[in-house]
Amino acid sequence: EVQLVESGGGLVQPGGSLRLSCAASGFTLSNDWMHWVRQAPGKGLVWVSRINSDGSSTSYADSVKGRFTISRDNAKNTVYLQMNSLRGEDTAVYYCARADPRVVAINSPDYWGQGTLVTVSS
Amino acid sequence: QSALTQPASVSGSPGQSITISCTGTSSDVGGYNYVSWYQQHPGKAPKLMIYNVSKRPSGVSNRFSGSKSGNTASLTISGLQAEDEADYYCNSYISTGTVVFGGGTKLTVL
Repeated sequence: EVQLVESGGGLVQPGGSLRLSCAASGFTLSNDWMHWVRQAPGKGLVWVSRINSDGSSTSYADSVKGRFTISRDNAKNTVYLQMNSLRGEDTAVYYCARADPRVVAINSPDYWGQGTLVTVSS
Repeated sequence: QSALTQPASVSGSPGQSITISCTGTSSDVGGYNYVSWYQQHPGKAPKLMIYNVSKRPSGVSNRFSGSKSGNTASLTISGLQAEDEADYYCNSYISTGTVVFGGGTKLTVL
């Protein structure tokens, strides 16, 4: 069964850091473009970041550029999101999602994890 | 990276058809055939329904269809069913190499 499992969420104070992990099982993500998408409580989906299959290309939303870093370890079948200088407005469920360019468009992830909640509060 | 514009809500009766619009600019929706649509039920992860404007992933009902004209993309759901009641989001690739979602549309099946 294809699964993406996020971990690393939790409560952090403003200005703090967290590293989210997204582990894949049932498939290898080495061919996939990986995305992080967040959703604040009761709000809509917001794209955060993406990384290409070999990690050579990354992109970020303006709201997180310079604070968040996406990376991947294909040997560990895992993608990461390092989040620094966290703010209250970063509070959200963070989803990782994959887009296999052999199947769908690179902006169209077709498998999503269940999300991990990040709460930024003092 | 302004969010794409979607109506906040739409509604329809079972068996009817509805259309949800997604308006962007020539730098996103209008510039690429990389518009996708997602369905999200409460407490669940999003599900891909349409990609590349009009393609359906395997397993998605053919009651769901997508199209685009200029800077506006549309998702049409025909033969509305109770289980179609959900939030729907469009997204598009942007010329900067990033991705943007729409604000979301709540579909109510009356």
